Amino acid sequence: AQSVTQPDIHITVSEGASLELRCNYSYGATPYLFWYVQSPGQGLQLLLKYFSGDTLVQGIKGFEAEFKRSQSSFNLRKPSVHWSDAAEYFCAVVSYTGTASKLTFGTGTRLQVTL
Amino acid sequence: KAGVTQTPRYLIKTRGQQVTLSCSPISGHRSVSWYQQTPGQGLQFLFEYFSETQRNKGNFPGRFSGRQFSNSRSEMNVSTLELGDSALYLCASSLAPSGGTSTDTQYFGPGTRLTVL
Repeated sequence: AQSVTQPDIHITVSEGASLELRCNYSYGATPYLFWYVQSPGQGLQLLLKYFSGDTLVQGIKGFEAEFKRSQSSFNLRKPSVHWSDAAEYFCAVVSYTGTASKLTFGTGTRLQVTL
Repeated sequence: KAGVTQTPRYLIKTRGQQVTLSCSPISGHRSVSWYQQTPGQGLQFLFEYFSETQRNKGNFPGRFSGRQFSNSRSEMNVSTLELGDSALYLCASSLAPSGGTSTDTQYFGPGTRLTVL
């Protein structure tokens, strides 16, 4: 079954520093990948998605992600982090069981931003 | 356009009771999925409905059930509540059923926080 792994449970960066959150997927064909963000007590907000085409995907709030098939990765990046980016970030992949499909999430990376 | 709404936002129940959670999708969206989020298990898929039909079901006991109405609104029900059912229950809607196309991107509601005592 398709899955995603987020190796970092918790990351701390200084405000203004660059950020990269890692996501590795397991899937033989072209995966459909997403990044979501969850602020405390809130639901999930879609940051960006990759279906096909350009491997560098731009999202909201200044985030981008790059799909690298050779590394089975879809890492999320931001050049300059703001204190309001502190949240939990989830990578997800569409996974298939026969004709049915669903979103399968990674375990999440909690981002802390220091001032 | 209004987002996904979930009611109630918070619920406190006791073991053995049952609970019904409601989800109203984004206008025009016909697919609704439910997820359970807990600190220990993370985000787990419960089920997906499209056009009032359950398309997919996660690995949860039969105490967890759902339905979708003709206006695409969905409810999920948990019977005989257990302490382990305490979680944030998230609903997501999409134009089309999950299948890996641009129209099936899921948009999430704020969730219902269920506490079982």
